[in-house]
Formats: sequence, structure tokens, C-alpha cells
Amino acid sequence: EDKVVQSPLSLVVHEGDTVTLNCSYEVTNFRSLLWYKQEKKAPTFLFMLTSSGIEKKSGRLSSILDKKELFSILNITATQTGDSAIYLCAVYGTDSWGKLQFGAGTQVVVTP
Amino acid sequence: NAGVTQTPKFRVLKTGQSMTLLCAQDMNHEYMYWYRQDPGMGLRLIHYSVGEGTTAKGEVPDGYNVSRLKKQNFLLGLESAAPSQTSVYFCASSRGRGMEKLFFGSGTQLSVL
Repeated sequence: EDKVVQSPLSLVVHEGDTVTLNCSYEVTNFRSLLWYKQEKKAPTFLFMLTSSGIEKKSGRLSSILDKKELFSILNITATQTGDSAIYLCAVYGTDSWGKLQFGAGTQVVVTP
Repeated sequence: NAGVTQTPKFRVLKTGQSMTLLCAQDMNHEYMYWYRQDPGMGLRLIHYSVGEGTTAKGEVPDGYNVSRLKKQNFLLGLESAAPSQTSVYFCASSRGRGMEKLFFGSGTQLSVL
């Protein structure tokens, strides 16, 4: 059974801090890993990673995948209160046939 | 461009009542999904559809039924609601499978008393 584990489950940081979120996975025939940000309601897409070692970057957010060790990291630098959200990691495997397997998410709270 | 629209946004039911959640997407996506989100459990797939007229079970299908009579709509039904179905429900759609990002609706908060 496919499995996605995120850590930590929650954290509180001060504005300006750097945050590192972890996502490890066990999935048959891995195809891609996705990160989403969920504020009040709908999750919004951040990154899709398919190749090991290639960093995806968008502003202060970046993510990298290690297919050998089966994990991904999402970094947020110079955090702002607007970064407060739940960050979700999800994985596609070929046996999951188009279904994303989500982790439980990491709740990030950024205090002023 | 509306994207994925869910109705209603909130609903309170009594145990044993039935209801239907409606999801509509205007992106001409083939794939549509229903997820539920509970604290500490992430998003769990209830049912999904790979095209008009098709449906399939996901991870937690018991107590739910779905229909996809039109490509743009995906309905989730609860025939006899139970308190365990209190959750936030999200509809999503994608262009294809496996390497495609999902676009989510804004969710339905359902409470079953």
C-alpha cells in the first residue's frame, strides 16, 4: 500500500525564520511528487518533482527530491505571516493509476 | 474562469438523512475526484472518475455513491448520513493521470448530528 509521511506535523516559527518540511514516501513505481499549500480552503499547487536532485524554486519557496532515499524537502526562507498554512505532500505511483496519495500535512504557523 | 466549483459550501444533516454534493469544472478535464479531509489524516480519496459515465472506488468509498453523467459534473451522494461522515469534502479535477496536478474546489463543510 502506498504511504506518504510528513514531518513535523506542526510547527510555529517567527517571521524571518527558515522552515524545512519533510515528506517521505513508499510507493510502487514512483512517478512524481507534488506539494500543495492549503490556507483556508482549497489546496493550491506549489511544485511537481519527478527527477532526483533538481531543485524547483518559486520566490522564497524551494523543493528538492531524493529518489534514492525516497523523500522530498520543502524549504521556505524569510517566512512571512502569509506563509501560515497546511503544506501537503502527495505522490503518484503507476499502480495508483492516476490517484494521488496524500500525506497528513504539516501545519505551519508564522508569528509576527 | 471559475475552475472547480462545489455546492453547497456548508451543510448540517441529521443522522439518516441524504444529500448530494455537486462539483462542476469548466476546464474540460477528464479526471474528477472526491476527497474527504479529517484532522491529522490528510486528504483521502472517496471515489474518482476517469471520464464521462465512469466511476471507481477510492480509499474510503463506503457510505458514498457518485455519478458522472456529464463530463463537467461529478456528484457525491450520501444515502443515509452518519456522524462518521462529518468532514470537509473536496472535489478536484485533472487533465490526465499520473503526472498531472489536481485543481481543487473550495470545499464543503458537512456536519452530521
